[in-house]
Amino acid sequence: DGGITQSPKYLFRKEGQNVTLSCEQNLNHDAMYWYRQDPGQGLRLIYYSQIVNDFQKGDIAEGYSVSREKKESFPLTVTSAQKNPTAFYLCASSISGRLNTGELFFGEGSRLTVL
Amino acid sequence: DAKTTQPNSMESNEEEPVHLPCNHSTISGTDYIHWYRQLPSQGPEYVIHGLTSNVNNRMASLAIAEDRKSSTLILHRATLRDAAVYYCILKESFGNEKLTFGTGTRLTIIP
Repeated sequence: DGGITQSPKYLFRKEGQNVTLSCEQNLNHDAMYWYRQDPGQGLRLIYYSQIVNDFQKGDIAEGYSVSREKKESFPLTVTSAQKNPTAFYLCASSISGRLNTGELFFGEGSRLTVL
Repeated sequence: DAKTTQPNSMESNEEEPVHLPCNHSTISGTDYIHWYRQLPSQGPEYVIHGLTSNVNNRMASLAIAEDRKSSTLILHRATLRDAAVYYCILKESFGNEKLTFGTGTRLTIIP
């Protein structure tokens, strides 16, 4: 079945370590997104990419990095510069330029806890 | 992106209709209105979206005020599976392809 796969689902790391979260989609979507969600809060956009080898900062990009070397993959690295990395991370994809006529598809999320 | 205002929480009885309001008084003429919902510990899922006319799909209906400064998501017959956080989002017709999520309305269904 087509969809978005995020891994790992749960991740524990020590403070100061970089962490990479995986996001893979087989929907043939051009655009991919990373959001962060804190308890009781809405989603905040970290980075997004509308095409391979190109990406833009969202509202809270500091302390994060991404790459988009393949259409189906958009990994997110949470670096040691991110002050409060513990959160629920959500990856999404859409047909590029079609959010007003289509929809955003989300993965099941990765819950990162920094000890 | 223009801002939306939703109640923090609502309750509804099972098998009754639910009307979830959203105010967006600063909406521009070309902004689309999108609704998503998020079940516990899951990613959000698309519900419905519209521009000016009311919209219906298998999940819900979207009623848009004539002046477009407010809209209402209608679940015709709530089930326990509809308990979720519902987000009302405005999306510019042109410009960056991204959705900005607020804190939404937490809907509780009473059996």
